[in-house]
Amino acid sequence: GQQVMQIPQYQHVQEGEDFTTYCNSSTTLSNIQWYKQRPGGHPVFLIQLVKSGEVKKQKRLTFQFGEAKKNSSLHITATQTTDVGTYFCAANGGSQGNLIFGKGTKLSVKP
Amino acid sequence: DAGITQSPRHKVTETGTPVTLRCHQTENHRYMYWYRQDPGHGLRLIHYSYGVKDTDKGEVSDGYSVSRSKTEDFLLTLESATSSQTSVYFCAISASSGRAGELFFGEGSRLTVL
Repeated sequence: GQQVMQIPQYQHVQEGEDFTTYCNSSTTLSNIQWYKQRPGGHPVFLIQLVKSGEVKKQKRLTFQFGEAKKNSSLHITATQTTDVGTYFCAANGGSQGNLIFGKGTKLSVKP
Repeated sequence: DAGITQSPRHKVTETGTPVTLRCHQTENHRYMYWYRQDPGHGLRLIHYSYGVKDTDKGEVSDGYSVSRSKTEDFLLTLESATSSQTSVYFCAISASSGRAGELFFGEGSRLTVL
């Protein structure tokens, strides 16, 4: 079945540094979603990208969808301790069309 | 929040005992999902429902069954719990009329099988 590969698995940064997580698929995606899960919490929807080459921004977060719609990235500028958590990408896949999640990138931020 | 609650939030049980987790929504959404989350595996779909009495398997459905007798309630049952089912279970609802929309997750149910 369809898989979305997410890298890196872990990222440790100093507060103020930038952070990027990548999501890749071997097949063309109809759309991609991004979620954030704080430690001990539940996943929370951040954004959905649909169009080829789409770029969306939410304050310090920049989301991109590749031209071929096979990859996506989430970039955080000048990380803060409030950015700590695990970031997941998710795409509709499989014969049933349900969301398939990447394994996530766990971000830790050292003050 | 999306009006979705899970119960119990924490449970410790012994191998071989039945366990039922409940997901309740107040949003009247059609699609409901059960995921499990384990370190190194991310979120994996167990079962989902697309309406009352309409359910289907996800990628890790073995050992689990579900029921949806009312729009607002989606139950996940482990008929005979095993240690490999120790996990955090999340219920989710789809915000759109179809299955491709954003998901709203419950707070999670942490299950420990001894």
